Amino acid sequence: EVQLVESGGGLVQPGGSLRLSCAASGFTFSNYWMSWVRQAPGKGLEWVANIRPDGSEENYVDSVKGRFTISRDNAKSSLYLQMNSLRAADTAVYYCVRGGGSGSILDYWGQGILVTVSS
Amino acid sequence: DIQMTQSPSTLSASVGDRVTITCRASQNVDSWLAWFQQKPGKAPNLLIYKASTLQGGVPSRFSGSGSGTEFTLTINSLQPDDFATYYCQQYKSYSFTFGGGTKVEIK
Repeated sequence: EVQLVESGGGLVQPGGSLRLSCAASGFTFSNYWMSWVRQAPGKGLEWVANIRPDGSEENYVDSVKGRFTISRDNAKSSLYLQMNSLRAADTAVYYCVRGGGSGSILDYWGQGILVTVSS
Repeated sequence: DIQMTQSPSTLSASVGDRVTITCRASQNVDSWLAWFQQKPGKAPNLLIYKASTLQGGVPSRFSGSGSGTEFTLTINSLQPDDFATYYCQQYKSYSFTFGGGTKVEIK
């Protein structure tokens, strides 16, 4: 059974940093693109970033470029999102998702983790 | 970026109704279009991909059609479990944009 479990969320002040982690199991992690998708409270879904199976390519939505970094450790079947210079607009539930390369579906989602940016 | 526009934003329907949701892309996305269902407090669930292919385990009352810039999600004989919010998403090119969502409510 595919499982994706996020951790590392919480309350952070504007300008601060946070690192999200996602532990994957039930599939061969190193074979899949992985993505982060977020959802602000009461709002719709926004794709944030993705990373190639071997980690050689990363892509980001414009609003997080230069502030967020996606990475992975295939030996640990883990995905990460380093978030710096956080803003109130980054407040959202962040989902770890399998898939997300061009032509690749977002087929399994974690339960999500809340990140709140507030003073 | 490709913009995805869903209509309607809210839809009131009864159990047993046939429901259709429309999604329009600002540019051609071929058939790289997915539909998701989301219930309150839960992660989205993939229903349909490649515009019309049903994800495993999804009931056959769900169907998708379209290509290029216009797509539809149809739910035949709406069931109580189907009251939720539905999102389309293009995955042809970055930033893999989602539509704004359609909330299906009980009439």
